[in-house]
Amino acid sequence: EAGVTQFPSHSVIEKGQTVTLRCDPISGHDNLYWYRRVMGKEIKFLLHFVKESKQDESGMPNNRFLAERTGGTYSTLKVQPAELEDSGVYFCASSPGFGREGPWANVLTFGAGSRLTVL
Amino acid sequence: RKEVEQDPGPFNVPEGATVAFNCTYSNSASQSFFWYRQDCRKEPKLLMSVYSSGNEDGRFTAQLNRASQYISLLIRDSKLSDSATYLCVVNDIGGGSNYKLTFGKGTLLTVNP
Repeated sequence: EAGVTQFPSHSVIEKGQTVTLRCDPISGHDNLYWYRRVMGKEIKFLLHFVKESKQDESGMPNNRFLAERTGGTYSTLKVQPAELEDSGVYFCASSPGFGREGPWANVLTFGAGSRLTVL
Repeated sequence: RKEVEQDPGPFNVPEGATVAFNCTYSNSASQSFFWYRQDCRKEPKLLMSVYSSGNEDGRFTAQLNRASQYISLLIRDSKLSDSATYLCVVNDIGGGSNYKLTFGKGTLLTVNP
């Protein structure tokens, strides 16, 4: 079974430019999450999709960040315009969904992350 | 006060040593607790869930004290392959929902030959 895949693995852009990160969750997983780790800080929740709907976007830093999950499959996270403080590693994670059978039904599987460097 | 606070580390131990990680959390309503492991420049991976009764998985033992809001992880007979950053993670949502995890900063462990 393929895991959570993220693209690009590393992106270097200049302040003011736009970057779009993509996440392909594990096939069939209803829940998709974005988390971020900035240098020297802990990993922090950004938002949560259930299928194509935003369940919780309370962690999104500001309106320069836009996440979408069209069709409830892959998701994109766009940063426009990027600022220096946006640099960090953006992790995507997915889980099967609520009410699924099995003890691991709601365990999150993380992708390897997309490292963003804003110069 | 940080929501999840861990030993800052780093820890450097010889192979075979026993090492303990400590963690405290601020939200007394937190429902689920986990230890994740993260290798350098890799994704966090679930190591084990932590239950009130304490649980063991081979060389790893996790403990939870809800009254003290304290979580621990003990690694016995440490191996070189145990070298990684250990993340204390708390979920404030009950009912099996894992969607909003709160992470500690992590503690780096290096096991030396």
